[in-house]
Amino acid sequence: GAVVSQHPSRVICKSGTSVKIECRSLDFQATTMFWYRQFPKQSLMLMATSNEGSKATYEQGVEKDKFLINHASLTLSTLTVTSAHPEDSSFYICSAIPDGSIQYFGAGTRLSVL
Amino acid sequence: GENVEQHPSTLSVQEGDSAVIKCTYSDSASNYFPWYKQELGKGPQLIIDIRSNVGEKKDQRIAVTLNKTAKHFSLHITETQPEDSAVYFCAAITGANNLFFGTGTRLTVIP
Repeated sequence: GAVVSQHPSRVICKSGTSVKIECRSLDFQATTMFWYRQFPKQSLMLMATSNEGSKATYEQGVEKDKFLINHASLTLSTLTVTSAHPEDSSFYICSAIPDGSIQYFGAGTRLSVL
Repeated sequence: GENVEQHPSTLSVQEGDSAVIKCTYSDSASNYFPWYKQELGKGPQLIIDIRSNVGEKKDQRIAVTLNKTAKHFSLHITETQPEDSAVYFCAAITGANNLFFGTGTRLTVIP
């Protein structure tokens, strides 16, 4: 299957700082990538759809100024959590679609905000 | 929008027994149903999928069935092994490629 790489796998930061998470499609081009958030023992919740060369589409309730998404190339999308606070601590996961409908997921990034 | 329900939330089986996880969906326009396995601290991995024009699909010990009329689909794992222990998510996709996840099932295979 297609490979989606996510970096870093784990990040710990101080409250008020910004954190950038990268999502790369290694063996295919992805015009669309997705960003999810997952709290412990819960399902994945879609945060936003990242579109190459255009603005991301955010789900209801997700602050676009808080979670900045940039999809500058066909193989890279980044999620920046700005002015992070402890309540932003979560597991963030990206996915991409090589073709058709199948979404392949990255390994996730565990963010801990102190 | 689509609403996917998944049962049970936890499931324990003895090694070698079968495990069945069931999901229902609400949007009749949904046409693709993947199943993902998520191990602790990792991202979901696609294990099997089925499209709306097919009633059943099998891949070794894993099978998925779909009943479009009743809007439900199920995952069947036979001859379970300890390495099958994980959280399993069903999902449904509409034409817009939006993936709607079920709430997950934590499967524990007891050696």
